[in-house]
Amino acid sequence: GENVEQHPSTLSVQEGDSAVIKCTYSDSASNYFPWYKQELGKRPQLIIDIRSNVGEKKDQRIAVTLNKTAKHFSLHITETQPEDSAVYFCAAGQEGNEKLTFGTGTRLTIIP
Amino acid sequence: DVKVTQSSRYLVKRTGEKVFLECVQDMDHENMFWYRQDPGLGLRLIYFSYDVKMKEKGDIPEGYSVSREKKERFSLILESASTNQTSMYLCASSQWGGGTDTQYFGPGTRLTVL
Repeated sequence: GENVEQHPSTLSVQEGDSAVIKCTYSDSASNYFPWYKQELGKRPQLIIDIRSNVGEKKDQRIAVTLNKTAKHFSLHITETQPEDSAVYFCAAGQEGNEKLTFGTGTRLTIIP
Repeated sequence: DVKVTQSSRYLVKRTGEKVFLECVQDMDHENMFWYRQDPGLGLRLIYFSYDVKMKEKGDIPEGYSVSREKKERFSLILESASTNQTSMYLCASSQWGGGTDTQYFGPGTRLTVL
């Protein structure tokens, strides 16, 4: 089955700086890569996703890049703000498969 | 706006008890999921269901069972609770294939087994 590795497990960034979280996956058939954000005490929520037919996707300060050859994808957050502090999960899925496989999570702390 | 609710936010049970965790979604979603969340281990899939009365094992089904008698409701059952099942349990639903569609999560149930 699919295996998703996520790094780093914790990340502290000065407010205004950029943050990068990286994930690798093992199953070359995976073609859907979402990112979920879980604020303290709250439920995970989708913040951005990318499908394998594109290499990069942006939504304001958040971007995700995908390298299918190397089987890795990354989340980039620019101009970080205190409200970006949360645990971020990457995941991998594929057409015809009903489930996602999640990474182990990254706790991002923005230092004011 | 999708709403996924879980029956309890906090639950304390004793070893050997039978435990029921309930999840309800109000968006007529086909797929429902049960995960457990542990520090350093991320979200691990226990069971999922893609239709009423249908269920599939996830990555860690041992010690758990599920029931989906109605489309909107998905129950997780711990037949005989053990201390290693102390965890945060999250339910989720998605409209289409869970592998390529947004999953909407419930608020979670923090279960403590003494």
